[in-house]
Amino acid sequence: AQRVTQPEKLLSVFKGAPVELKCNYSYSGSPELFWYVQYSRQRLQLLLRHISRESIKGFTADLNKGETSFHLKKPFAQEEDSAMYYCAPHSDNAGNMLTFGGGTRLMVKP
Amino acid sequence: DSGVTQTPKHLITATGQRVTLRCSPRSGDLSVYWYQQSLDQGLQFLIQYYNGEERAKGNILERFSAQQFPDLHSELNLSSLELGDSALYFCASSVAIHNEQFFGPGTRLTVL
Repeated sequence: AQRVTQPEKLLSVFKGAPVELKCNYSYSGSPELFWYVQYSRQRLQLLLRHISRESIKGFTADLNKGETSFHLKKPFAQEEDSAMYYCAPHSDNAGNMLTFGGGTRLMVKP
Repeated sequence: DSGVTQTPKHLITATGQRVTLRCSPRSGDLSVYWYQQSLDQGLQFLIQYYNGEERAKGNILERFSAQQFPDLHSELNLSSLELGDSALYFCASSVAIHNEQFFGPGTRLTVL
């Protein structure tokens, strides 16, 4: 079955520390992967997608097909990064639904 | 503002009742998605429509139903409500099936 796993429900780091939010997937084919973020009292919004290979707000994510992972990383966390982060792979097979991971709450302490 | 609107913002009702949540997608978006977000379950995909047709189904209960109208707005109907249905219900839209999704602000449903 296609699924996404974000093993950490909560990740707490100090400001300036590196952060890595894990995402593992089991999908057939070659999925396109997204990270969405939800700041407090705001709606979900796209953070980045692997296909564009861009860095948004200092975050990057590399698709590792061997490990079937798409971890989100930032070298120096900021307090404003505190939010819920959702990993969301699409499948490139027509008709497959978008399945979000369970989400990881990142708390960046001062 | 992503352009996706949802009404109402808040809804308080009693067990056994029926409610309808409404979503208007961004202009030009053909696909609409519904999600349920509760504290213990995270973000759960419910159902997706594309240009009026049901496209994909997730963890949607039989007591729940949805539709997308010719003007592309969508409604999510929740019936025989239970306490456990209390959650935030998000609608999202995208241009096509596999594109970036733009989320609405959500409707907070409280079942007493």
